[in-house]
Amino acid sequence: AQSVAQPEDQVNVAEGNPLTVKCTYSVSGNPYLFWYVQYPNRGLQFLLKYITGDNLVKGSYGFEAEFNKSQTSFHLKKPSALVSDSALYFCAVRDMIKAAGNKLTFGGGTRVLVKP
Amino acid sequence: KAGVTQTPRYLIKTRGQQVTLSCSPISGHRSVSWYQQTPGQGLQFLFEYFSETQRNKGNFPGRFSGRQFSNSRSEMNVSTLELGDSALYLCASSLGELYNEQFFGPGTRLTVL
Repeated sequence: AQSVAQPEDQVNVAEGNPLTVKCTYSVSGNPYLFWYVQYPNRGLQFLLKYITGDNLVKGSYGFEAEFNKSQTSFHLKKPSALVSDSALYFCAVRDMIKAAGNKLTFGGGTRVLVKP
Repeated sequence: KAGVTQTPRYLIKTRGQQVTLSCSPISGHRSVSWYQQTPGQGLQFLFEYFSETQRNKGNFPGRFSGRQFSNSRSEMNVSTLELGDSALYLCASSLGELYNEQFFGPGTRLTVL
């Protein structure tokens, strides 16, 4: 079984400060990991993914994430947050084992509030 | 390239009725997945279709069903609606490999009265 935990329901940060959204995961095999962002009344927008290779993954809108296998974590980061980054962020995992199918398992989401 | 489209965007039904939601994937994408989003349960996987075949299914009752057509468009159906079926239903499409990211539509907000 695969699972994702996002330990913080909400993260508050001042504009211009670094932003970190935490994610830990559990899978039977090796993971494919994804970050998505959701704005009000919108679907999810893809930010970045980890498949294999370099542990630091760069994505859209200046976001990056660091894969840490020993800590089973995939934290999302942005060096300098913008007010427009205020949204709901979801971490998701898919097991590399083909039998697990194409099912994405999502964390509960973290609301990010960036204050001017 | 056009994104994933879902129709209708909003739907109001009463208990016991049935509903059909539609999803048109990004051109060239053969995999379509459906998710239910609620405040209490978060995002939950319903099922995935690939080349007209259901490839994976989540833990939902048989009242939830789906299908995919030869042009990759997909529909999901919920019969005998319950109040707890009120949710945002999201469709996502991808090229179909496990490492491919899924692209989501705007969702259909279903309200059951």
